[in-house]
Amino acid sequence: ETGVTQTPRHLVMGMTNKKSLKCEQHLGHNAMYWYKQSAKKPLELMFVYNFKEQTENNSVPSRFSPECPNSSHLFLHLHTLQPEDSALYLCASSLEQGASDTQYFGPGTRLTVL
Amino acid sequence: RKEVEQDPGPFNVPEGATVAFNCTYSNSASQSFFWYRQDCRKEPKLLMSVYSSGNEDGRFTAQLNRASQYISLLIRDSKLSDSATYLCVSRGVSYIPTFGRGTSLIVHP
Repeated sequence: ETGVTQTPRHLVMGMTNKKSLKCEQHLGHNAMYWYKQSAKKPLELMFVYNFKEQTENNSVPSRFSPECPNSSHLFLHLHTLQPEDSALYLCASSLEQGASDTQYFGPGTRLTVL
Repeated sequence: RKEVEQDPGPFNVPEGATVAFNCTYSNSASQSFFWYRQDCRKEPKLLMSVYSSGNEDGRFTAQLNRASQYISLLIRDSKLSDSATYLCVSRGVSYIPTFGRGTSLIVHP
């Protein structure tokens, strides 16, 4: 399935590095989401974009910086991360940010911060 | 209190068994509910939406109880391939989705 793609699939970075995660959806959706999934924890919503406008920032530290240049692409820029930021970062999209809109997830980027 | 709570399990059942999971939610203003399935090291995938009247899809039945603020998932005639983590999701104010931590199901021969 290639509805929502994410690159890279795996990333190892030092605490002083700067890197970016990329998400692309081919479903014609207008809402995109970043989630963090750590072991033994629920998915944590980080950011939501609806029609390219950020509609939710769930108190995410500023070392995570999202960018949504258009409805098909979503980036997560990372800088000066901490080891506790190591997790699976999942991107999702839905038709809109609506009550009944199904979210489709990408395969995720597994991030390790050394 | 967590917004969406699930028993993490694992639920360990033999093939052919019927198994049920519950999920409670704390936000009475929640608008919609879903069950997702997540296989090990894979992304979550929608299993089914949960409607007020309940809904059924093959061996899977989902129910919503607004008075008691819980949703349920019933799996009949369990298959080995049903082994996965089942995530409960509610959408509340501004339709922001909130996930439970998931319930692990292991179906054994």
